[in-house]
Amino acid sequence: ETGVTQSPTHLIKTRGQQVTLRCSSQSGHNTVSWYQQALGQGPQFIFQYYREEENGRGNFPPRFSGLQFPNYSSELNVNALELDDSALYLCASSQGREEGNEQFFGPGTRLTVL
Amino acid sequence: GEDVEQSLFLSVREGDSSVINCTYTDSSSTYLYWYKQEPGAGLQLLTYIFSNMDMKQDQRLTVLLNKKDKHLSLRIADTQTGDSAIYFCACISGGYNKLIFGAGTRLAVHP
Repeated sequence: ETGVTQSPTHLIKTRGQQVTLRCSSQSGHNTVSWYQQALGQGPQFIFQYYREEENGRGNFPPRFSGLQFPNYSSELNVNALELDDSALYLCASSQGREEGNEQFFGPGTRLTVL
Repeated sequence: GEDVEQSLFLSVREGDSSVINCTYTDSSSTYLYWYKQEPGAGLQLLTYIFSNMDMKQDQRLTVLLNKKDKHLSLRIADTQTGDSAIYFCACISGGYNKLIFGAGTRLAVHP
């Protein structure tokens, strides 16, 4: 069974650019959540997708958007990058959207904005 | 809003017990978690406790929950150098499977 995978592992962008990060969920999982982890901090919830629909959103501006595909893989898009967007972006998949469904995390994508 | 707080650093001698503490604000949290993060790696779920329990033991790990004080702790018995990592406390919030994390406690184990 393949775990959660993310690509790319590292990325360097400049301010104002756009970026797309990708996540493949674990087999049998239909829910994907995205988190941003700034250096020295805990992960912060960005949003969650369940069966291709956004199921909830954290306190992030609209330039953070996402998609979930029919195979339940997901993308995180960030437009108009700012320096503060530099962080580790983690995706997690779970078997369902209900409370208590274990979230399995990928290794993350480290984004650096210059 | 929801908040989770942890002490930032803990240093212990190899073989001793480690206790990492956490407080949270959302009294409706149903599940509370402990995750481990090693350098360059994602998050690994160590253990969790349901809110109607006050203790859970899993091999070297013991979780204590004081729901009245909204206080959660993780005890690691016989701490080893391989336990050196950042430990995150997290709770479920918002009525769906959204995790709220603390800032993490860096555990350093020395000989």
